[in-house]
Amino acid sequence: DADVTQTPRNRITKTGKRIMLECSQTKGHDRMYWYRQDPGLGLQLIYYSFDVKDINKGEISDGYSVSRQAQAKFSLSLESAIPNQTALYFCATSDSSGASYNEQFFGPGTRLTVL
Amino acid sequence: GENVEQHPSTLSVQEGDSAVIKCTYSDSASNYFPWYKQELGKGPQLIIDIRSNVGEKKDQRIAVTLNKTAKHFSLHITETQPEDSAVYFCAAITSGTYKYIFGTGTRLKVLA
Repeated sequence: DADVTQTPRNRITKTGKRIMLECSQTKGHDRMYWYRQDPGLGLQLIYYSFDVKDINKGEISDGYSVSRQAQAKFSLSLESAIPNQTALYFCATSDSSGASYNEQFFGPGTRLTVL
Repeated sequence: GENVEQHPSTLSVQEGDSAVIKCTYSDSASNYFPWYKQELGKGPQLIIDIRSNVGEKKDQRIAVTLNKTAKHFSLHITETQPEDSAVYFCAAITSGTYKYIFGTGTRLKVLA
């Protein structure tokens, strides 16, 4: 969905490096999420933010941090990358005020490989 | 804890046949059940959803059924086409919460 963009789309890094994944949205949604996808495990929530001043941990937040720089921007950082953080990462947004307030809109994903 | 079980993990059907994917949820307070389709290299996209106050919803070749008593819901795709090949995820959510509980996904292959 072009309304939710993620950069980079692919990244290869080494163990111990700090890396940031960025997400931007033009939907005007207040809520943003970061998910991790591993084969056979579905999507797991890392962090979520209901507005710029609200950041919350999800199911698997250890080893990750986030920053909500503006309503439209939500970045995910790996402070010291490790190989088991190799995965596909998705950003998503939702609108708390709309009729379809439960629907989440996903970005195209970032494939991260940690060597 | 809350979880959603999804079956099968892979499904191959001949073009034109029907495909059925099933999910079972654990939280009886769940009241919204979306289905997402993920094509290769893309993020999941909502294809159909159902709320707990209805038992079935259809949109052209796609339908979802919900059995609240048994806590399971299913995706039905009729007259499958090659472009239906993708990974499908179910999810369960409780109204007023942020938390999507996703199933583990079903890889559907439609054979021409």
